[in-house]
Amino acid sequence: EADIYQTPRYLVIGTGKKITLECSQTMGHDKMYWYQQDPGMELHLIHYSYGVNSTEKGDLSSESTVSRIRTEHFPLTLESARPSHTSQYLCASSRGYNEQFFGPGTRLTVL
Amino acid sequence: AQKITQTQPGMFVQEKEAVTLDCTYDTSDQSYGLFWYKQPSSGEMIFLIYQGSYDEQNATEGRYSLNFQKARKSANLVISASQLGDSAMYFCAMREAKTSYDKVIFGPGTSLSVIP
Repeated sequence: EADIYQTPRYLVIGTGKKITLECSQTMGHDKMYWYQQDPGMELHLIHYSYGVNSTEKGDLSSESTVSRIRTEHFPLTLESARPSHTSQYLCASSRGYNEQFFGPGTRLTVL
Repeated sequence: AQKITQTQPGMFVQEKEAVTLDCTYDTSDQSYGLFWYKQPSSGEMIFLIYQGSYDEQNATEGRYSLNFQKARKSANLVISASQLGDSAMYFCAMREAKTSYDKVIFGPGTSLSVIP
């Protein structure tokens, strides 16, 4: 059973607010990922990390930032939310070259 | 350019029949890994099967098998004996050596509907 958690599961927030989406895993995985996905559509990689203090931007340009201070924690922050940020955000982790384990996702709505 | 192409946006299959979901990929690496994931309407992503570029045998996992044709850069997923619970989105994904296998890119997905 994969142990990767995301909070909150649902978030409705007004334009201009700062938000942090939390992702934690208890499997000791070295790699972690953030994807953005609209319903029924493809996953777009926005950030990834291959270890503590290492983060990289993905292929989809994003105004969000991430940090990886601890192995198990990979939060994503939006300094000023906009309606265009409305989407589902999926966090994943993996060990080495192996398959990814995904969290349940955060559905974000920006009004 | 799309690194992962899934040309079938939607597929239908009769229950108990087999179905093939297409995936082609673009890489200049000799070493890479290919993955298939399932996403039911509930939204969770479920890992199904993995194929390494140096694996000589096609991967199999229960009712799932991967038809790997390296020269054609295709990695099609075959689901045998389809069940109603197989109705979902299916995504093909790839890791490449040139990004130290850190980065995982997904294709656009195929929606599979199993008809009773």
